[in-house]
Amino acid sequence: NAGVTQTPKFRVLKTGQSMTLLCAQDMNHEYMYWYRQDPGMGLRLIHYSVGEGTTAKGEVPDGYNVSRLKKQNFLLGLESAAPSQTSVYFCASSYPGQNTEAFFGQGTRLTVV
Amino acid sequence: GQQLNQSPQSMFIQEGEDVSMNCTSSSIFNTWLWYKQDPGEGPVLLIALYKAGELTSNGRLTAQFGITRKDSFLNISASIPSDVGIYFCAGRNTDKLIFGTGTRLQVFP
Repeated sequence: NAGVTQTPKFRVLKTGQSMTLLCAQDMNHEYMYWYRQDPGMGLRLIHYSVGEGTTAKGEVPDGYNVSRLKKQNFLLGLESAAPSQTSVYFCASSYPGQNTEAFFGQGTRLTVV
Repeated sequence: GQQLNQSPQSMFIQEGEDVSMNCTSSSIFNTWLWYKQDPGEGPVLLIALYKAGELTSNGRLTAQFGITRKDSFLNISASIPSDVGIYFCAGRNTDKLIFGTGTRLQVFP
């Protein structure tokens, strides 16, 4: 039972570099989410998707782009990394509807120097 | 951006004590969820609440969905060392799932 898998688990980037974080889920969930977690700030929603081919902005979308070309994958891209994007990134997925829970991956720790 | 306010921010308690934490919002939510996060892991769901006024238990955990739909409470009875972690509330409306700022719980023997 893989559930939600995030790759990579750790990454160090230089300012200005780009990278893509991959989230894969094997539960046939429609909804997928990307969050960032910073000390004292909880989990803040970056972008989310309600189905293949659709994406929407969350609470802190600036500096990030996402794509949902396949239902099972949700990619988070940083085009030009900045030190302020140093964080732990979590992906989650769920079935649609309000009465459903979200399942989380184990996180990606990103450091931008 | 929208975010839920959790209090207290952190708690240091002795094993066996009861714990209470709460979450408030300026917005109405249709679903309230409580998650626990262990170090180096993603959040794991503890309790889900789907109706205003609902009181739900899961072992030593009890959570309530506030009548106004703008708040929720989590109680942990007779705490044990493995209760250590960060507890998050989350509110859900249609597509978005918004998290609180977290309550860090430390339990001393």
